[in-house]
Amino acid sequence: QVHLQESGPGLVKPSETLSLTCTVSGGSITNYYWNWIRQSPGRGLEWVGYIYDNGSANYNPSLRSRVSTSVDTSKEQFSLKLRLISVTAADTAVYFCASLWGPNDMDVWGPGTTVTVSS
Amino acid sequence: SYVLTQPPSVSVAPGKTARITCGGNKIERKSVHWYQQKPGQAPVLVVHDDSGRPSGVPERFSGSNSGNTATLTISRVEAGDEADYYCQVWDSSNDHVVFGGGTKLTVL
Repeated sequence: QVHLQESGPGLVKPSETLSLTCTVSGGSITNYYWNWIRQSPGRGLEWVGYIYDNGSANYNPSLRSRVSTSVDTSKEQFSLKLRLISVTAADTAVYFCASLWGPNDMDVWGPGTTVTVSS
Repeated sequence: SYVLTQPPSVSVAPGKTARITCGGNKIERKSVHWYQQKPGQAPVLVVHDDSGRPSGVPERFSGSNSGNTATLTISRVEAGDEADYYCQVWDSSNDHVVFGGGTKLTVL
């Protein structure tokens, strides 16, 4: 059974870069679209983007200018980088990594990691 | 980009039937997936491809999709069904994932 686990700093300063990694265990990272989803406090789910095992990626248009993803198949990991906007905590959220039903035929989520943007 | 619209809240008495809608332009042409999210937890898939039910999900959960509206139906509602519910589609026209805004189900 596939398990996902997010890792990364819980506190990031405005204007810096948020970096998270998701480790895939119990299955192969190949042949799936690996997604990042975030949820701001009290808000709904927001799709951030996905990366495929060959490195091709696609992003939410509202975040495209600030986000990038990468994949390391040898480590069974994929990563997210989000350039933070200065003077705002709009990116404070729980960040989930997931294989979503739709692009894939498997739906698995990590437990989520809370990232707080604050100086 | 594609937009999914859900009612912010739905209330239902225990034992009754709850229906949560997800509106989108010609949504019947897309496969709709539904998630249940309880506080502090990751979402859990309860219906996939309009009406499919993942292993372990009670038969009380069902889905349908027609015209511009997809519907998640929860029969014989229990207190444990109280949660936020999200619809999701894969918009293959631009390879984007789209979530609805979510519906809070309250069991009275």
